[in-house]
Amino acid sequence: AQTVTQSQPEMSVQEAETVTLSCTYDTSESDYYLFWYKQPPSRQMILVIRQEAYKQQNATENRFSVNFQKAAKSFSLKISDSQLGDAAMYFCAYSQFTSGTYKYIFGTGTRLKVLA
Amino acid sequence: ETGVTQTPRHLVMGMTNKKSLKCEQHLGHNAMYWYKQSAKKPLELMFVYNFKEQTENNSVPSRFSPECPNSSHLFLHLHTLQPEDSALYLCASSQDGDRLNTIYFGEGSWLTVV
Repeated sequence: AQTVTQSQPEMSVQEAETVTLSCTYDTSESDYYLFWYKQPPSRQMILVIRQEAYKQQNATENRFSVNFQKAAKSFSLKISDSQLGDAAMYFCAYSQFTSGTYKYIFGTGTRLKVLA
Repeated sequence: ETGVTQTPRHLVMGMTNKKSLKCEQHLGHNAMYWYKQSAKKPLELMFVYNFKEQTENNSVPSRFSPECPNSSHLFLHLHTLQPEDSALYLCASSQDGDRLNTIYFGEGSWLTVV
């Protein structure tokens, strides 16, 4: 069965600095998707960034970028120029097509604190 | 405007009560999901529906009963719950074949069982 592991329950970063959140996953599939979702105190899960496994190029969305290492099954999120609004829980997620639909599996989350 | 609306946002119920959570998606998606979010645990997938048909039941106790009358609406009927069922219940939807392959979440329903 596929699993997603986030080994950092909590991280802190100074405003304007850079932080990297770690994620590893386990799968025997070759075709899948990886995501980072942000959950602020409002509890609304918001998509941050998405990576298709067949693409070698790392995804980038403004201040957010990933380091996707397929062989190592690693998918870390880098946040540059951290802002106070980045403070939230961050969830790494894995998705593949199975049983007629996409199945999404999430990690336990990393709480990011941004220090002013 | 989230595209996925959940009601009620907060619910307190006794162990003998019967209540329901409702989810509606306005995105034209074909798949809908129920997840349970408890403290310090991964989001737990409960049920998946694709074009109204249940495609996944992740060993969920029968005191949780899902209903999907159409692709836009999903219910979670609750009966004889236990205190450990207290959690945030998240509804989500996605569109198969969407090259973006993204799951969209509602704001969740906070459930407290007393």
